[in-house]
Amino acid sequence: AQSVTQLGSHVSVSEGALVLLRCNYSSSVPPYLFWYVQYPNQGLQLLLKYTSAATLVKGINGFEAEFKKSETSFHLTKPSAHMSDAAEYFCAVTSFSGGYNKLIFGAGTRLAVHP
Amino acid sequence: EAQVTQNPRYLITVTGKKLTVTCSQNMNHEYMSWYRQDPGLGLRQIYYSMNVEVTDKGDVPEGYKVSRKEKRNFPLILESPSPNQTSLYFCASSPRLAGVSEQFFGPGTRLTVL
Repeated sequence: AQSVTQLGSHVSVSEGALVLLRCNYSSSVPPYLFWYVQYPNQGLQLLLKYTSAATLVKGINGFEAEFKKSETSFHLTKPSAHMSDAAEYFCAVTSFSGGYNKLIFGAGTRLAVHP
Repeated sequence: EAQVTQNPRYLITVTGKKLTVTCSQNMNHEYMSWYRQDPGLGLRQIYYSMNVEVTDKGDVPEGYKVSRKEKRNFPLILESPSPNQTSLYFCASSPRLAGVSEQFFGPGTRLTVL
């Protein structure tokens, strides 16, 4: 069965510093992987997705993620944090079950950005 | 504007009082889903629907019902709410199978059951 583990429920960085949010997945088939962001009092918004094309995926707001099959990882990075990046981030993997695909989410990582 | 809407956004109710949370999308999507979000657990799927009149259980369906009579609407029904259903609920839609398409999320409904 597919699953997702996000390491670190809270991450704190200074403005301008590197952002690294970790995600490891478990999948018995080639996975589709997603990162979503949730700003306060809002729904989830897609940041980026990996669908077996390029292993380095670029998303919105300067974020990118690299798919590493050998490490079963899909970590999210941004070179320079901005105050507006403060939000909760969710990694998700597709689960093929019962003839349809659904998303399995990690527990989330809350990112705080300090001036 | 393409969107998923949910109503109400906030709801406080008492144990056993039936309630319905509405969800509507204007993107002509086939696939719709309900999730609940709880701290430390991420989002867990409650029910999903692949098309009109086609619904099935997700990972945490107990205590919930859904219906899909029209393509655009997918209401979530709590026949007899209990305090353990206090949570943040999200409706989502996508144009085809969720695994290869982005899911579009509503703004969420924060439910408190006393």
